[in-house]
Parts: sequence; C-alpha cells; structure tokens
Amino acid sequence: AQSVTQLDSHVSVSEGTPVLLRCNYSSSYSPSLFWYVQHPNKGLQLLLKYTSAATLVKGINGFEAEFKKSETSFHLTKPSAHMSDAAEYFCVVSGRGGNEKLTFGTGTRLTIIP
Amino acid sequence: EPEVTQTPSHQVTQMGQEVILRCVPISNHLYFYWYRQILGQKVEFLVSFYNNEISEKSEIFDDQFSVERPDGSNFTLKIRSTKLEDSAMYFCASSDLGGTYGYTFGSGTRLTVV
Repeated sequence: AQSVTQLDSHVSVSEGTPVLLRCNYSSSYSPSLFWYVQHPNKGLQLLLKYTSAATLVKGINGFEAEFKKSETSFHLTKPSAHMSDAAEYFCVVSGRGGNEKLTFGTGTRLTIIP
Repeated sequence: EPEVTQTPSHQVTQMGQEVILRCVPISNHLYFYWYRQILGQKVEFLVSFYNNEISEKSEIFDDQFSVERPDGSNFTLKIRSTKLEDSAMYFCASSDLGGTYGYTFGSGTRLTVV
C-alpha cells in the first residue's frame, strides 16, 4: 500500500517570494507521484507527474518538484509566487501499474499575501 | 485541450432518492474513475472501470453504488438510495492506457442530500 503525507495544511507566502509545499510518500515500490491543484469551486488540475524518469520534474505555471528517494520526499516549489497561485494543492501517489487508483494527501492550502 | 465533462455541476436530492451522476471522459481514454471529496476531507477513491467492468473498488463503494458506461461515451455513477453522508463533491477522471499523461479530472458534481 502507498500513502502520502503533506506536512503543512496551510502555507502563506508573499507575492514574488518562493513557494515550498512539502510532501513525503510511503510506498513499497517505486511509485508514480503527482501534484494536483484545486482552485476554489474548480476541478483538479494536474500540475506535474513523476514516473521514474528525471528526478526533477517541471510542471505548468512555473512549478517543479524533485523526487528524493533517500528522503522519500516529493516537495513542490516555485521561485516566485503569483496571486493566481492561491489554491489547494494535493500530493498524490499511485502504484506502478500505470492506471492504478490515486491516493491523495490531505492537501495544503496556499495563500498569497499581496 | 481535451476535457472530462461532468453533469450536473450541483445536485440536491432528498434522502432515500436515487441519483445518477454523469461524466463524459476523454474520447481516447480507456480507464475511468470516480472519486469523492467530503467537505473538509481528502479526496477518496471510489471505483475504477476498464473494458466495461470494474477493475478495482474501495470499501466505500458498497451495494448502494454502481457504475455504467451505457453508450460508449458516457460514464455514470448511480447511488440507489442516498444517505446524508453521501453529500460530497464527486469527481470523474479518465486516463489513457498506462496513464502516460496522468489522470484528467472533471470539474466535479456537488451532491447535497437533504
């Protein structure tokens, strides 16, 4: 079985400063890892996906995440926060089968301070 | 960009009534999923569907729930006799074979049981 732990339920940053959203995973084999974003009253949008290729994954809107096996982490970063980044972010893990169910973390609410 | 379409966006129903939530997955995707998110809680897997049959289901997906792909384009979730605790946002998702491009989610249907 696999699981993810999002270490912060709420993160606030000032506009223009870096964003760091932390995620640790647990899996008995090499997992697929995702970050999804949910804006208010919207669906879930895929930001990026890791599937055992490059450990540094670049996503949409300037976000990237680094897979660190030794630390079992998959933290999401962005160099400079924008007001439009305010949303709920979910770290997600799935099995290695490619179409297996997704297991979601509890989410991190990102607030951007003007 | 291809989208997963869900209808209705919001449905209110009385306890004990049957509801059908509808989804149109991306046309060349082969795997289909339903997830739900109870207010304030994390997104939970309900069921996955492939080749016209359920491939995996969670313990939440009991006999009150069923899924169907009635016409080759729609994918439906039926709840036979709704309970108050079924109130949630229900997300449909689809993925291509192998999940190469990740899982695409719809915008969700907010079900309110009164």
